[in-house]
Amino acid sequence: QSVVTQPPSASGTPGQVVTISCSGSTSNIGNSYVSWYQQLPGTAPKLLIHENNQRPSGVPDRFSGSKSGTSASLAISGLRSEDEADYYCAAWDDSLRVVVFGGGTKVTVL
Amino acid sequence: QVQLVESGGGVVQPGRSLRLSCAASAFTFGDYAMHWVRQAPGKGLEWVALISYDGTNKYYADSVKGRFTISRDNYKNTLSLQMNSLRAEDTALYYCARGLRYYTKAMEVWGKGTTVTVSS
Repeated sequence: QSVVTQPPSASGTPGQVVTISCSGSTSNIGNSYVSWYQQLPGTAPKLLIHENNQRPSGVPDRFSGSKSGTSASLAISGLRSEDEADYYCAAWDDSLRVVVFGGGTKVTVL
Repeated sequence: QVQLVESGGGVVQPGRSLRLSCAASAFTFGDYAMHWVRQAPGKGLEWVALISYDGTNKYYADSVKGRFTISRDNYKNTLSLQMNSLRAEDTALYYCARGLRYYTKAMEVWGKGTTVTVSS
């Protein structure tokens, strides 16, 4: 069981906004940057968001990240069919001295 | 373009060893921290290890500490993972990933992975 918790699934219709939560503690999310990764079926993960809310070049601005206290969120606006994927949050845990991943959230476009 | 290519995976018996490699190209390898991340079949991502840009600092997941060793050769642009005393639960697709230049804990570039199967 991961020390960082995500809902196992989320869904929405095309065009909607889908938000994924990521809950941790003061030793990880509360005192570290959060990253988000998208993993399309059968492919390697891709960095979507780093340092809580920064998008690497090439990532559409439909994807946005935020953090408050020991929780973080990823929002996908203008949902598209190609957004169907697994999404993972991650953070450095300063007590354990490890990177912790959330369990992942499968996003389905209805 | 920036590329990471893993190799060395295979089928191995429990208790045996295996060494994974990751060949980096099209960037200054010695400037970046590197990670190993694994994914068991049908499961989520599990971080395995991190090594600093110069190899000075190394960090490991509790599940592999004392059995796995991460290392790098900045002259050969290669990252390695020596895996000893392998267990069935080490069966996974193993990815190498490059950390961001100024925030090493985020993984910016990923390889396609190499599969390790531990089975008798």
